[in-house]
Amino acid sequence: QVTLRESGPVLLKPTQTLTLTCSFSGFSLSTREMCVSWIRQPPGKALEWLARIDWDDDKYYSTSLKTRLTISKDTSKSQVVLTMTNMDPVDTATYYCARIRGVDYYMDVWGKGTPVTVSS
Amino acid sequence: DIQMIQSPSSLSASVGDRVTITCRASQGIRNSLAWYQQKPGKAPKLLLYAASRLESGVPSRFSGSGSGTDYTLTINSLQPEDFATYYCQQYYTTPQTFGGGTKVEIK
Repeated sequence: QVTLRESGPVLLKPTQTLTLTCSFSGFSLSTREMCVSWIRQPPGKALEWLARIDWDDDKYYSTSLKTRLTISKDTSKSQVVLTMTNMDPVDTATYYCARIRGVDYYMDVWGKGTPVTVSS
Repeated sequence: DIQMIQSPSSLSASVGDRVTITCRASQGIRNSLAWYQQKPGKAPKLLLYAASRLESGVPSRFSGSGSGTDYTLTINSLQPEDFATYYCQQYYTTPQTFGGGTKVEIK
């Protein structure tokens, strides 16, 4: 059974750096064509794709956020980490990680999400 | 980036109705389209991929079609558990992008 779980701070102040961890089980990111993506959703708004890391350590970022994002993986720990610098209240959202199981980059299993609020 | 425009943004329907949601891409995406269902307070759930392929375990009343830039999600005989928000997502190019969502409400 594939599961993913997001963890990180619930509350941040403006300008701080967000570090989120996605801990997963049931698959390995060292397996060919496996990937993990991060997606966020501000309250009452649509989903927004943020970043993806592939089994071969290729990394991809949202065009509008790429200067602020870094994604990395620790295959031995079955974890993917996303950092976002210079947080702002508009970054308040639920952050999800999700698995991609092949060369077609749709997300087949999602974590439950973790809420992040940015406020002074 | 490819823009995904969903319509309508919301609709009201009754149990048993047939519902159609449309997603239009700003350029051709060659059937690289997924549909997700999201209920309040829950993570999205994959329904279909490759525009028309049903994810395992998803009821057959959900179907998808389309080509080029225009795609459709159809729900036949709407059930009470289908009231939710639906999102399309293109994965033809990176960054992958989502539509704005369609909220299906009870009439």
